[in-house]
Parts: sequence; C-alpha cells; structure tokens
Amino acid sequence: TQLLEQSPQFLSIQEGENLTVYCNSSSVFSSLQWYRQEPGEGPVLLVTVVTGGEVKKLKRLTFQFGDARKDSSLHITAAQPGDTGLYLCAGVGSSNTGKLIFGQGTTLQVKP
Amino acid sequence: SQTIHQWPATLVQPVGSPLSLECTVEGTSNPNLYWYRQAAGRGLQLLFYSVGIGQISSEVPQNLSASRPQDRQFILSSKKLLLSDSGFYLCAWKPAGTGGRYGYTFGSGTRLTVV
Repeated sequence: TQLLEQSPQFLSIQEGENLTVYCNSSSVFSSLQWYRQEPGEGPVLLVTVVTGGEVKKLKRLTFQFGDARKDSSLHITAAQPGDTGLYLCAGVGSSNTGKLIFGQGTTLQVKP
Repeated sequence: SQTIHQWPATLVQPVGSPLSLECTVEGTSNPNLYWYRQAAGRGLQLLFYSVGIGQISSEVPQNLSASRPQDRQFILSSKKLLLSDSGFYLCAWKPAGTGGRYGYTFGSGTRLTVV
C-alpha cells in the first residue's frame, strides 16, 4: 500500500515568514500533485510535478519533486493571510486509473 | 468548459436511513470519476472510482456503494447509514487516459452528518 506522510500537520506563523511543508513516502510515484483547500470547499490543484528533481514556481510558492520521486516539498516565501488553508499532497501510482493517494494534509494559518 | 456539480451541499440523516449523493460532470465525455471522504481538516480517503459506465472499483470495505448509470453521472449510496458514515464527501473527475499529469477537478462537497 502506498502512503504519503505530510509534515507538519499544523503550522501557525506570522505574515511575512517563510515555511516549508514536506511530503514523504517509501514508494515511488509517477507524479505528485499539490492541492489547496478552503473550509467547506473541494481541493483546488496548485501544481503537478512529474520528473525527479523537478522544481516549479507559482508566484511565492516553490514545489520540488525528489530525485527518487518518493518525496516532495512546498516552500512558501513571505507568507500572507491569503495563504491560509489546508495543503494536500497527492501521489499518482503507475496504473492508468489515475488514482490519487493523499497525504493527511497540513493546516496553515498565517496571522496578519 | 467543464463543470462538476455535486449535491446536496449539506445533509443531516438519522442512523439507519438510506443515502443518495449525486455528482454530474458537464462538458466532457468518458471521464474518470472518483468519490472521496474527508475527516475534518485531514486528507482524503478514496472510496470508489469508475473508468466507464457500470464500471465501479471499491477501495475500502464499507457501508457504502457507488453506481455510474450514465457516462457523466456518479452516485454514492447507502441502504442504512451508520454514525461512522458522517464526513465530507467529495466527487472528482479527470480526463480518461491522462495518467498523472492531469489533476483532479473536485466538486464542492457534501457535508453529511448522521445523527
């Protein structure tokens, strides 16, 4: 069974601080996706990383896929209150069903 | 453009009552469809997925079932709800055969409370 472990589970920081969220597994994934979810809404896709070692940037968010495709990280620079939410990593296995295995999520609170 | 509709948004049901949650996708054909359940502030657990009409795969044994009577319709059901069925249910779709490069598009979810 493929599992993804996210850390930390909760993060409360002040506006302007930097932070990193980690997503780790002992399994290899064909790709890894990051989602952000607001309370009472469905998750929204932020990025997909496919190649080992790949780095993608989305404004102040930097996503990295590990060389062995077993882990990923999300780094936010100069966090803002609008970044508050639940961040979820999700791995795709090798089957063509596209099933996503989700991590437990990281709840981020950015205080003004 | 493609859209996904999920209803109802909230539902309060007594223990032992039946359940039917519906999800429909517009603007695409033959999508892969998924039902997930989420505990408060936590990750998503895959319940069922479907790659075509009448094709349902179950991920975990449970009190729930799913059906896909039409290409873009996915239904989650239960004959008798348990307290443990409470949670936030999410429907999602992605284009068929796109592997891991395409993300899911999620519906807005149904908050189910079994009392």
